[in-house]
Amino acid sequence: AQTVTQSQPEMSVQEAETVTLSCTYDTSENNYYLFWYKQPPSRQMILVIRQEAYKQQNATENRFSVNFQKAAKSFSLKISDSQLGDTAMYFCACYQGGSEKLVFGKGTKLTVNP
Amino acid sequence: DTAVSQTPKYLVTQMGNDKSIKCEQNLGHDTMYWYKQDSKKFLKIMFSYNNKELIINETVPNRFSPKSPDKAHLNLHINSLELGDSAVYFCASSPQLLTDTQYFGPGTRLTVL
Repeated sequence: AQTVTQSQPEMSVQEAETVTLSCTYDTSENNYYLFWYKQPPSRQMILVIRQEAYKQQNATENRFSVNFQKAAKSFSLKISDSQLGDTAMYFCACYQGGSEKLVFGKGTKLTVNP
Repeated sequence: DTAVSQTPKYLVTQMGNDKSIKCEQNLGHDTMYWYKQDSKKFLKIMFSYNNKELIINETVPNRFSPKSPDKAHLNLHINSLELGDSAVYFCASSPQLLTDTQYFGPGTRLTVL
């Protein structure tokens, strides 16, 4: 069965520091995609970063980068130079291309402290 | 300028009632979705529509029915509301089914009393 696990329910970081959010997944398919979504207190879901499983290079979007370890089925999100606006729930998700299934993790609540 | 909009933002209703949540996207995307986020913040996909065709129908009660009058709209109808239906419902859209960036609406908080 396809699963996505975020083992850190809550995390906090000081402004300007770096924080890493963990995500592990399990899928039986070779064709899959991984996502990190951000949900700020306003509740609007925002795509942070996306990674295709067939790409070896880690995806990067400005201060956000991932560490994609395919063999270990790990997909962690690193936020550099944390800002107060990064305070939000972060969801990891995995989409299986063959079965067309999308599964989300339970989320990590990140608080950036001034 | 809003890419994906939902109405209403808040919905409070009694058990047994029938209600609808509307969703509109002005991005020209081919695919739209409905998600349910429960009290534990867990997101679950409910439906996906691609060019007015239901693509994914997860195991949700048949009291829930998506209706898409055109490519830009995907409304969610809920019949005979139950207490367990209380949640935040998100609409989303993407250029293609699931493998592309999804743009989410602001969510609708449904409270069933």
